[in-house]
Order: sequence, then structure tokens, then C-alpha cells
Amino acid sequence: EIVMTQSPATLSVSPGERATLSCRASQSVSSNLAWYQQKPGQAPRLLIYGASTRATGIPARFSGSGSGTEFTLTISSLQSEDFAVYYCQQYNNWPPFTFGQGTKLEIK
Amino acid sequence: QVQLQESGPGLVKPSETLSLTCTVSGGSISSYYWSWIRQPPGKGLEWIGYIYYSGSTNYNPSLKSRVTISVDTSKNQFSLKLSSVTAADTAVYYCARVGVVVPAAMLGWFDPWGQGTLVTVSS
Repeated sequence: EIVMTQSPATLSVSPGERATLSCRASQSVSSNLAWYQQKPGQAPRLLIYGASTRATGIPARFSGSGSGTEFTLTISSLQSEDFAVYYCQQYNNWPPFTFGQGTKLEIK
Repeated sequence: QVQLQESGPGLVKPSETLSLTCTVSGGSISSYYWSWIRQPPGKGLEWIGYIYYSGSTNYNPSLKSRVTISVDTSKNQFSLKLSSVTAADTAVYYCARVGVVVPAAMLGWFDPWGQGTLVTVSS
């Protein structure tokens, strides 16, 4: 099973600033990685797939990069609605599909 | 646009079977893969399994002995059964469509998701 590790667990950033979230895979997942955003009481929402392709309707301030075992989600200028929990997920080797434990992005 | 809605009992007794249904609206269940994912309160996401509209399935090895996922194309629904539940199975259960990487035709991400339903295992 591929283990996905996200860092940091909590990230405090001020509105308007840039946020950088990391995700590491225990073995290479090529570019087969997705990112999700989850707000309290809501289902996760797909942001990025293929490590860097934005899903339909996702603002351009969200960008993904990386391949192999190291991945980054960058939010270029944080808006109030961006404060949430973010998960990465690999789909290169399954079963099972696996998720990271999440990074909570909070207002500084 | 496709929407998913989970339904089923919110409370299940220990050792019994958890049963949930996901109804797909705004599109056909055919030609897609569909999945169940769960999230214990305050914790992360765990993939349970998927089903193709034709009925083929694949399950998380950690749950495989207790999980059955089935599909009813006539009702545009797919279902989850999880047997011999314990308190550790208490979670919000989500259904979701599985994205496909083109042209590799490999399974990938989950989108869209249902709103989720909380199932508590307690006597």
C-alpha cells in the first residue's frame, strides 16, 4: 500500500498571501495524484488531478506541481473561502487508492 | 450535472450489517465507475471500494472480507453493504464517481461526491 504523507498538519497564513502545501508518496506515483478541498460539514471537492490539471471550475489561483514522490499544492493569493482542509490522493497503485492525512489551512 | 445522494440508516448495532444506497441523478450510471469512501469523525479519508456499471468490483484489502458493493442500473443506484460492524466503522460515508485517465483508461480521482451520510455504530 502506498502511504501518502502531507505536511504541515496545520498551516497558518494571512489572506492575500501564498500557501504551499506538500504531499509525499512512499513510492513513486508518477503524476497520478489528485488534490481535494474539504470545508466543515461538506464533502471533499476535487481541485487538481494528474498532479497539475485543474478540475472544472477551479480558480487559477490553485496550482499543483510535482511528480514521482514529491508534490505541491500552491494557492497564490488566499481568499477567505480557501481556508479548509486539503487532501492528496494517489491513483497510481491500487487497490487501495490512498489519501494523505490532510493539511488544515487556517487564518493567521 | 451529475449529482449523488446517499441514503440509509444512521444508526447500526454492533455485529450487524451497514447498508447504504447512492442514487445518481442528472446522468446515467452506465459507462462509469462508482465508489464508496468513508471518513471517521475528525479523521481522514478511506477508500472502501468501487463498482463498474456492469457489476465488476474492487475492494480495499483491509475491508474486503466484509464489503459488498452492488449496482442497479434500472434505478440508477449503487449500494454498499458492510457486515459485522464495530464502533470503528462509525464514519461519514460518501459515494463518488471515479474519474478515468484518458487515453490510458486507468482509474483515478473521485468527482463528484455525494454530501455524505453519518453512520453511527452503537447499541
